[in-house]
Amino acid sequence: AQKVTQAQTEISVVEKEDVTLDCVYETRDTTYYLFWYKQPPSGELVFLIRRNSFDEQNEISGRYSWNFQKSTSSFNFTITASQVVDSAVYFCALSPWGGGNNRLAFGKGNQVVVIP
Amino acid sequence: DTGVSQDPRHKITKRGQNVTFRCDPISEHNRLYWYRQTLGQGPEFLTYFQNEAQLEKSRLLSDRFSAERPKGSFSTLEIQRTEQGDSAMYLCASSPIDEQFFGPGTRLTVL
Repeated sequence: AQKVTQAQTEISVVEKEDVTLDCVYETRDTTYYLFWYKQPPSGELVFLIRRNSFDEQNEISGRYSWNFQKSTSSFNFTITASQVVDSAVYFCALSPWGGGNNRLAFGKGNQVVVIP
Repeated sequence: DTGVSQDPRHKITKRGQNVTFRCDPISEHNRLYWYRQTLGQGPEFLTYFQNEAQLEKSRLLSDRFSAERPKGSFSTLEIQRTEQGDSAMYLCASSPIDEQFFGPGTRLTVL
């Protein structure tokens, strides 16, 4: 079974501060994908980033960066210099790798509130 | 607009009625997923299609739920004899292989 845990529920930051979201996962698969999705108030889930389990290189994409550590089963996500438009619920998700049903297992989400 | 579309966006129904939702995936995507999201929770997997074949169903999908994807294009999700516990956001996603792209969802309210 696959499980994703996002411990924090709501996080409030002042605009331009950085915000880091924690994600811990459980899986018996040796290869898998990890994702972060954003869900703004409009409700549509927006794909942000994907990482393969066999690639632990951490990267930065614009104001987004992530820290993947397979040894601790964590996939943390950071928004740098937050903006009001970043206010949303952020979901960490896990799926199998390798064709077939790549069903996503989501965490409960982190509500991020950016205060102007 | 070439994204995933869902219809209707909102549906209010009385308990015991049947409802049907439609999902139009991105045209070149052969994989289609349905998820259900209740308030304050992450989406939960319901069912998966590859082309027109329904290959997996979650235990969440009771006998009152049925999904189809005729001709491997659009998909429908029907709920028979709705119950108040069916109130949720129903999300559809399509995928070429790995990333899943979600539609705006159908919010169902059962009175």
